[in-house]
Amino acid sequence: EVQMVQSGAEVKEPGESLRLSCQISGNTFVNYSITWVRQMPGKGLEWMGTTTPGDSETYYSPSFQGRVSISGDTSVNTAYLQWNSLRASDTAIYYCARLLQFGESQNHLDPWGQGTLVTVSS
Amino acid sequence: SYELSQPPSVSVSPGQTATVTCSAEALARQYASWYQQKPGQAPVLLIYQDTERPSSIPARFSGSRSGTTATLTISGVQADDEADYFCQSVDTSRGCVFGNGTSVTVL
Repeated sequence: EVQMVQSGAEVKEPGESLRLSCQISGNTFVNYSITWVRQMPGKGLEWMGTTTPGDSETYYSPSFQGRVSISGDTSVNTAYLQWNSLRASDTAIYYCARLLQFGESQNHLDPWGQGTLVTVSS
Repeated sequence: SYELSQPPSVSVSPGQTATVTCSAEALARQYASWYQQKPGQAPVLLIYQDTERPSSIPARFSGSRSGTTATLTISGVQADDEADYFCQSVDTSRGCVFGNGTSVTVL
C-alpha cells in the first residue's frame, strides 16, 4: 500500500523561509509524480505544482510560479515544497498526493498525505 | 486554465440519493475525478476516470458523465457521508484543476 507522510505543522514569521517534505512509501514504480495542493482556511483545493523526481521535471500552476519551489529526491523518495520568503497569505494547509496520469485526458490524485498546517504570523 | 463549476451545497435526507454535478466545456474531452473531504481530514479519492471506483470505496458512490457535465451520485445516503466533495480534471501537463467544492448536508 502506497502512503504519503508529510512533515509536521509549522509556525513562521513573515519573511522567513520554509521547506515542507512529503515521503512516499510502499511505491513499486520508479517514475512517480507528486503534486502539492493548497487549502486556505475554509476554502477549496488549489493545484500548486507537480514534480516527477525520476525525470527531474516540475510543472507549476501560474498562480504559484515564482513564489514556491517544488523538488524531489529519489534517493529518499521525498518531495519538497519550499518558500524563500513567507507571507501571511501563505497560511494554509498544504497537501501532497501521488499523481497518476494516463495520457493527456486523465489524471487523479491518490493517495494523499495527511496535510501540513503552515501558520505565518508576526 | 479553466473552471469546473459545482453547486455550493446539496441537502439530502438519510437513505435518499444525492447528486453533485461538475460542469465545464473541457469535460467533453477529459475525464473527471471526485474526492471526499471530511472536516479536519485530507481528501480521499472516490471516483476516477468518470466512473471508476477504488476498491476501498463503498458501492453507493458512483460517477457518470454526459457531455460537459460529470455527476457524482451517492445512493442510500448515510450520516457519515456529510462532507465536502470536489471534482477534478486535467489542466496542462501533469496539472490539475479543481471545482470549488460542494458541501453535502445530511438532514
